[in-house]
Amino acid sequence: EVQLVESGGGLVQPGGSLRLSCAASGFTFSSYWMSWVRQAPGKGLEWVANIKQDGSEKYYVDSVKGRFTISRDNAKNSLYLQMNSLRAEDTAVYYCARGKGVYYDWGQGTLVTVSS
Amino acid sequence: DIQMTQSPSSLSASVGDRVTITCRASQGISNYLAWYQQKPGKVPKLLIYAASTLQSGVPSRFSGSGSGTDFTLTISSLQPEDVATYYCQKYNSAPPNFGQGTRLEIK
Repeated sequence: EVQLVESGGGLVQPGGSLRLSCAASGFTFSSYWMSWVRQAPGKGLEWVANIKQDGSEKYYVDSVKGRFTISRDNAKNSLYLQMNSLRAEDTAVYYCARGKGVYYDWGQGTLVTVSS
Repeated sequence: DIQMTQSPSSLSASVGDRVTITCRASQGISNYLAWYQQKPGKVPKLLIYAASTLQSGVPSRFSGSGSGTDFTLTISSLQPEDVATYYCQKYNSAPPNFGQGTRLEIK
């Protein structure tokens, strides 16, 4: 059974940083693109970033370019999202998802709240 | 960027009704279109990909069709457990944008 478990969310002040983690199990992690998708409270889904199997390609939504960095550790079956210079509009539940365009599996999400 | 527009934004239907949700892309995306279901307070779930391919385990009352710019998600006989918000998403190129969602309720 595929499992994706996010952690690292919390309350942070504007301008602060957080690092999200996603622990994957139940599939060959190193064989799949992985993605982060977020959902602001009461709003729709927004793709944030994705990363190729070997980490050689990374893509971001324009609103986070230069502030967020996606990475992975295939030896640890883990995906990460380093979030710097956080803004109020980054407040959302962040989901880890298996896949590049089609998201076959999703984690339960971790809530990031940016507020003073 | 290619924008995805769903209609309606919300709808209410009776159990047993046939329900259709439409998704329109601002440019052609061939069949690179997925549908997701998000039940209240839950995680999104993949229903359909490649416009019409049903994900394993999804009930056969769900179906998808379309190509190019116009797509539909159809529920052939609405069940109470289908109450959810449905999202379309294009994935032919970055960014893989979602539609704004369609909230489905039981009348």
